[in-house]
Amino acid sequence: EPEVTQTPSHQVTQMGQEVILRCVPISNHLYFYWYRQILGQKVEFLVSFYNNEISEKSEIFDDQFSVERPDGSNFTLKIRSTKLEDSAMYFCASSGPPGEYFGPGTRLTVT
Amino acid sequence: ELKVEQNPLFLSMQEGKNYTIYCNYSTTSDRLYWYRQDPGKSLESLFVLLSNGAVKQEGRLMASLDTKARLSTLHITAAVHDLSATYFCAVANSGGGADGLTFGKGTHLIIQP
Repeated sequence: EPEVTQTPSHQVTQMGQEVILRCVPISNHLYFYWYRQILGQKVEFLVSFYNNEISEKSEIFDDQFSVERPDGSNFTLKIRSTKLEDSAMYFCASSGPPGEYFGPGTRLTVT
Repeated sequence: ELKVEQNPLFLSMQEGKNYTIYCNYSTTSDRLYWYRQDPGKSLESLFVLLSNGAVKQEGRLMASLDTKARLSTLHITAAVHDLSATYFCAVANSGGGADGLTFGKGTHLIIQP
């Protein structure tokens, strides 16, 4: 069964450093998303991506964040200068009939 | 702004009992999802509900949608320990899949033998 994959599974970084989280969506899906989940809290929408551009973004997705689909298969989330409060689980998702499917997540720890 | 409210947020129940989790949302949407999350794991898709009156069942779980009341329910029948998890409902932010989902806070379900 096709699935969304994410790398790395866990990333530890120092405050102020840049991180890139990677995702490979399901191959015939057209919509891609990033969500985050701070420990013990609900899942929050960050950004959606369709036809090689951002479709919608939340207020969380400020200028520190960017997304790219560099090569037709990978979908990346970059955080330019990480803050302590960026520590969370980051989920990539892709959407196609019949629903929206989530990857296993990347746990980002900012120290 | 779309708001999604679940209740209860925490539920402890005994095996064999029935219970219902409720999900209310504030604005019209064309899709509602139920997900299961085990501790430290990703979100497993349980149900997608697309139309008023939709009812879907898988094993001991049944989900329904009333778009007029903006209410979905997830009913657990004769609960077993393996169903212990956190259950989230999520509502599409707009039509067509472009704008992602707004999640409820989740219902942390513990089923005791």
